[in-house]
Amino acid sequence: RKEVEQDPGPFNVPEGATVAFNCTYSNSASQSFFWYRQDCRKEPKLLMSVYSSGNEDGRFTAQLNRASQYISLLIRDSKLSDSATYLCYPSGGYNKLIFGAGTRLAVHP
Amino acid sequence: DGGITQSPKYLFRKEGQNVTLSCEQNLNHDAMYWYRQDPGQGLRLIYYSQIVNDFQKGDIAEGYSVSREKKESFPLTVTSAQKNPTAFYLCASSIGAGGAGSNQPQHFGDGTRLSIL
Repeated sequence: RKEVEQDPGPFNVPEGATVAFNCTYSNSASQSFFWYRQDCRKEPKLLMSVYSSGNEDGRFTAQLNRASQYISLLIRDSKLSDSATYLCYPSGGYNKLIFGAGTRLAVHP
Repeated sequence: DGGITQSPKYLFRKEGQNVTLSCEQNLNHDAMYWYRQDPGQGLRLIYYSQIVNDFQKGDIAEGYSVSREKKESFPLTVTSAQKNPTAFYLCASSIGAGGAGSNQPQHFGDGTRLSIL
């Protein structure tokens, strides 16, 4: 099992749809969790941080399930501009600096 | 305006040549990192540094070298021993050096694209 696993997608959804991605992690010592957005040929940018059970920011909701060791990202009312690759990063200290390979989202008109 | 600056944006390497990628941050972060990203792939850790004058190998350190003489600077040298250097190189930094600080998010520079001539 990979240390951090994400469905590579692509998730093709129409504008206005709700879409959710999961990220599973194997390091039970992970305490902080982050979602990044990466546009094509650009650097990853921090989207959301999750330190307890979840976090909500506008159309974006991140949930943490420690028992099953996964985090999820929910995007409501998808916009064309949401098209990107979404990376998860379960931070587990300096011996576990591993990002997920990302889930690609394509929002179409 | 605080941030991480990588230069150059594009770099071309000749056969047998060493090249150095620059990474500077003015965020007063203790920890800095170098990643390599190949097309359609995830991030792979090359080296990281938790504090000045100290650095650790990541998963793919062979053919690369780094130094951390100043808190704000973490240059990466791609040596001639790296036979397949063509990739997108990303530098990142985060608050803290160990303990709770190691659970902080990383912030990225805008990357350097390296190609072989």
